Amino acid sequence: NAGVTQTPKFQVLKTGQSMTLQCAQDMNHNSMYWYRQDPGMGLRLIYYSASEGTTDKGEVPNGYNVSRLNKREFSLRLESAAPSQTSVYFCASIMTGDSGNTIYFGEGSWLTVV
Amino acid sequence: AQKVTQVQTEISVVEKEDVTLDCVYETRDTTYYLFWYKQPPSGELVFLIRRNSFDEQNEISGRYSWNFQKSTSSFNFTITASQVVDSAVYFCALYTGGFKTIFGAGTRLFVKA
Repeated sequence: NAGVTQTPKFQVLKTGQSMTLQCAQDMNHNSMYWYRQDPGMGLRLIYYSASEGTTDKGEVPNGYNVSRLNKREFSLRLESAAPSQTSVYFCASIMTGDSGNTIYFGEGSWLTVV
Repeated sequence: AQKVTQVQTEISVVEKEDVTLDCVYETRDTTYYLFWYKQPPSGELVFLIRRNSFDEQNEISGRYSWNFQKSTSSFNFTITASQVVDSAVYFCALYTGGFKTIFGAGTRLFVKA
């Protein structure tokens, strides 16, 4: 059972380059999120998608775009990478309803922008 | 305001010791959910447990146990007979509705052989 799968796991980018982080879940959840994790800053929500076809900004959306391609997939795009976007990125699939918002994370993507 | 405070930043124990990670939360909502997540050195974030505000029963899962006390707004996590594999950063989290889950800053646990 894969759960949440995100790629790539590691990436080095030059400033100004673009890239897309891919994420897919097989748990049939409606909601999916993208977080970044930085030392001393904890987990911060970048964008979320409450359901297929909808996306909304989280706490730190600047410099990012997202696409909810279908129920399974939610991608995060950096159009013009900056060193401040060096971080660990986590995609998540959310079990909602009576379970509160139980977050199931992907394995993380380590991104370095030089 | 909603807030999650993980009392200990780092804890170091010797294998087989019991260890408790403290989590204190703040919310005015009467319906909320509390969570614990584990982040081992490999970096992934693993869901451990969920509790809703109406269920104060303690829970035990193997060597792990959780103590939820609404009177003190605490949701503490105890590892019995700790093992090296328990070394990780543990996050406590609070959800009260909407899209946002509030995470604590984490407690880094070192278990030495």
